[in-house]
Amino acid sequence: GAGVSQSPSNKVTEKGKDVELRCDPISGHTALYWYRQSLGQGLEFLIYFQGNSAPDKSGLPSDRFSAERTGGSVSTLTIQRTQQEDSAVYLCASSLPWQPQHFGDGTRLSIL
Amino acid sequence: GQQLNQSPQSMFIQEGEDVSMNCTSSSIFNTWLWYKQDPGEGPVLLIALYKAGELTSNGRLTAQFGITRKDSFLNISASIPSDVGIYFCAGHDNAGGTSYGKLTFGQGTILTVHP
Repeated sequence: GAGVSQSPSNKVTEKGKDVELRCDPISGHTALYWYRQSLGQGLEFLIYFQGNSAPDKSGLPSDRFSAERTGGSVSTLTIQRTQQEDSAVYLCASSLPWQPQHFGDGTRLSIL
Repeated sequence: GQQLNQSPQSMFIQEGEDVSMNCTSSSIFNTWLWYKQDPGEGPVLLIALYKAGELTSNGRLTAQFGITRKDSFLNISASIPSDVGIYFCAGHDNAGGTSYGKLTFGQGTILTVHP
């Protein structure tokens, strides 16, 4: 597609379960970013990929959070043993070198 | 870490009025960006600023990159109902010549436009 695609758009799960969030970047974009947006807040950086490697994962809040990117394209953000404070909108963005980041519509994650 | 202070937090205006919002930083950014977010959607890029002192327009929107590299403002002229949404500033520190890197976001300005 023309834009960044994220799935699922909504996810409701029970505390303690693992979740996987998927991001399909704009075709040809070499960089991919994950952000988290809590209700009424700005975006908080989690991790970014250049190709398949992650030069900056400083924003991951705990070791329950991990991400990978394969083939320089699709990325998966995994949250293990989810907690209620993990509830947020998880946004993915992609970009070309020196160009602004373009965002998907996010995955709304609710932990019961 | 770097933080952006965005103000005002919210604005209620009448259609046709002009709007101004700004962001300040405790440290320098090399790129300033302004995004708009509608409910249930991701942020959409409005304007990107790459040089200190740069003034850029996009239709009714005008943004400036502060000369100190620590601030930016966004103006919207002659507001219309579809301007409603949340506006975010974001700074990019690509010091060292890196062509990628994280964005640091302000807390957002919620804009309401009354017809």
